Amino acid sequence: QLQLQESGPGLVKPSETLSLICTVSGGSITSDNYYWGWIRQPPGRGLQWLASIHHSGNTYHNPSLKSRVTISVDTSKNQFSLELFSVTAADTAVYFCARLNADYRRFDYWGQGTLVTVSS
Amino acid sequence: QSVLTQPPSVSGAPGQRVTISCTGSSSNIAAGYDVHWYQQLPGTAPKLLIYGNINRPSGVPDRFSGSKSGTSASLAIAGLQTEDEADYYCQSYDSSLSVWVFGGGTKLTVL
Repeated sequence: QLQLQESGPGLVKPSETLSLICTVSGGSITSDNYYWGWIRQPPGRGLQWLASIHHSGNTYHNPSLKSRVTISVDTSKNQFSLELFSVTAADTAVYFCARLNADYRRFDYWGQGTLVTVSS
Repeated sequence: QSVLTQPPSVSGAPGQRVTISCTGSSSNIAAGYDVHWYQQLPGTAPKLLIYGNINRPSGVPDRFSGSKSGTSASLAIAGLQTEDEADYYCQSYDSSLSVWVFGGGTKLTVL
């Protein structure tokens, strides 16, 4: 059974960089039919897609975040990562990693999520 | 404001049927992009409930069904159970924004 697990600091200071890793187990991150992505949910609010990546290196970013987001993949560790630069309190959210199935372009497996708070 | 519009809340008694709507536009649902639905129980990650407008992943009861027409999609839940109380989100792709988009979510209360 495929599992995804987010890891990273739970507290980040304003203006610093938020860095998260998603470790994939029970399946390979190099399967051609899947992309891997990050989605966040501010407290009490809805879901926002941030970025997605294919093991080949193709990436997609949410334009609303402009150049603040980067996503990368480490196939040797079966992991992918998110970096969000110059964070503010508005970036406080639960961050989920998820698998994006190219068939129908659906997010079919999700990590449990990790709360990241931006505060000094 | 979300690109996909959902009612903030719906409610129903056990055993009843409820529907949740998801309204988009010409750059997402009406453009032919598939709509997917997710169920999010309190404190947990979203779970895929319906994909490709009408399909249920293995293990999802057939009480849950989806449909799509024009600029809108709907999720129907028949035979409401107390464990169905959750937030429900629709999701599609928007070609003008080049983003995967979610609806604002609908909170289902089982009275």
